[in-house]
Amino acid sequence: QSALTQPASVSGSPGQSITISCTGTSSDVGGYNYVSWYQQLPGKAPKLMIYEVTNRPSGVSHRFSGSKSGNTASLTISGLQAEDDADYYCSSYTSSRPVIFGGGTKLTVL
Amino acid sequence: EVQLLESGGDLAQPGGSLRLSCAAFGFTFRTYAMSWVRQAPGKGLEWVSGISGSGGRTYYADSVKGRFTISRDNSKNALYLQMNSLRVEDTAVYYCAKDPTAEVAGLFDCWGQGTLVTVSS
Repeated sequence: QSALTQPASVSGSPGQSITISCTGTSSDVGGYNYVSWYQQLPGKAPKLMIYEVTNRPSGVSHRFSGSKSGNTASLTISGLQAEDDADYYCSSYTSSRPVIFGGGTKLTVL
Repeated sequence: EVQLLESGGDLAQPGGSLRLSCAAFGFTFRTYAMSWVRQAPGKGLEWVSGISGSGGRTYYADSVKGRFTISRDNSKNALYLQMNSLRVEDTAVYYCAKDPTAEVAGLFDCWGQGTLVTVSS
């Protein structure tokens, strides 16, 4: 089973909104409401930003939101800030193993 | 403060072995499932293995099944990964990650800083 599909890169200017997609199958993204999103700053460990499709952990900015339609989940970042410049990974519970990650998306804040 | 601290990463030869450790601080270790997640240089995240809070259930990615063994010592608040028959493609930073539930759900609310494993002759 290969990784969930994410765009390799997205970009946006400060203040704008961007959306990162994460496409899987009915055996993972589409079959469970267990999609998570992680932010990884350069040289750092990943940080949980969204869990169970739409939930934000304590301390995560309200500018980050998640959604899902069918086999595709999405992460939206509104009011882009320079500090959002990072790699973003989606993950999902699957029918065959506990978790599968997406290939990652590099967000560039212009 | 919840903290995870990995150690044991090193240079190993193909076919060799390494044992990674992860020390946990700031939470009731035995209550939570734990996993190892790796990241090859310049690549994405790959879940490697997970273990339930009690240690009674373990899970492995197909890429490491039969070669790696995950274990934990709840009396020492420690997680381990025994890596045998290492391959060049096992080269990666290995992260220890905490699940917010007792069973392995693949949700990671805390990560260590990672330890680098390099497999090369």
